[in-house]
Amino acid sequence: EIVLTQSPGTLSLSPGERATLSCRASQSVDSSFLAWYQQKPGQAPRLLIYGASSRATGVPDRFSGSGSGTDFTLTISRLEPEDFALYYCQLYGSSPRFTFGPGTKVDIK
Amino acid sequence: QVQLVESGGGVVQPGGSLRLSCVTSGFTFSPYGMHWVRQAPGKGLEWVAFARIDGGREYHPDSVKGRFTISRDNSKSTLYLQMNSLAADDTAVYYCARDGARSMDVWGQGTMVTVSS
Repeated sequence: EIVLTQSPGTLSLSPGERATLSCRASQSVDSSFLAWYQQKPGQAPRLLIYGASSRATGVPDRFSGSGSGTDFTLTISRLEPEDFALYYCQLYGSSPRFTFGPGTKVDIK
Repeated sequence: QVQLVESGGGVVQPGGSLRLSCVTSGFTFSPYGMHWVRQAPGKGLEWVAFARIDGGREYHPDSVKGRFTISRDNSKSTLYLQMNSLAADDTAVYYCARDGARSMDVWGQGTMVTVSS
């Protein structure tokens, strides 16, 4: 079973700063099946990135995804006030299984 | 617009059962796989069920296998989750989500299930 880890657990930044979130898989995965979600308090998750680097409909271009193999990154180029939230990576695996990482909280410094 | 609306949550005693529903609208339901994902209070996301487009195959992680059953009624554009033998650690918000082949591209607002005596 592939396990996803995310780091850091919490990222404290100021609006306007760049955020770099990491997602690491316990073994190499097909990047086509790596997704990122944003979740704000009291709300459902929202798809941001699929296929490791493709933005979902309506997602601002300050969000970008990259990576391959075991290491993936979500980058927010300039944090807006509405970007302070929890972020989860997810692997669409075979079997099928749909594994989430534990999440990274981006909060205001 | 595309909408998923869950219902059926509530308070249930340990060992009890509950059936959740997810009524969908704004898109053609039948060609899409559908999921249930849960989130315990203050915790992360956990996938609990997936139904393929025709409902012929269902998938569950070991944590709920044999207790939870996902099903769908394409004529009603509705997804269900039958939950039996509920325990305290099944307490969570339960979300339904549409399968986008490589992601869960649309989510409902969730329904809360509390297992408590």
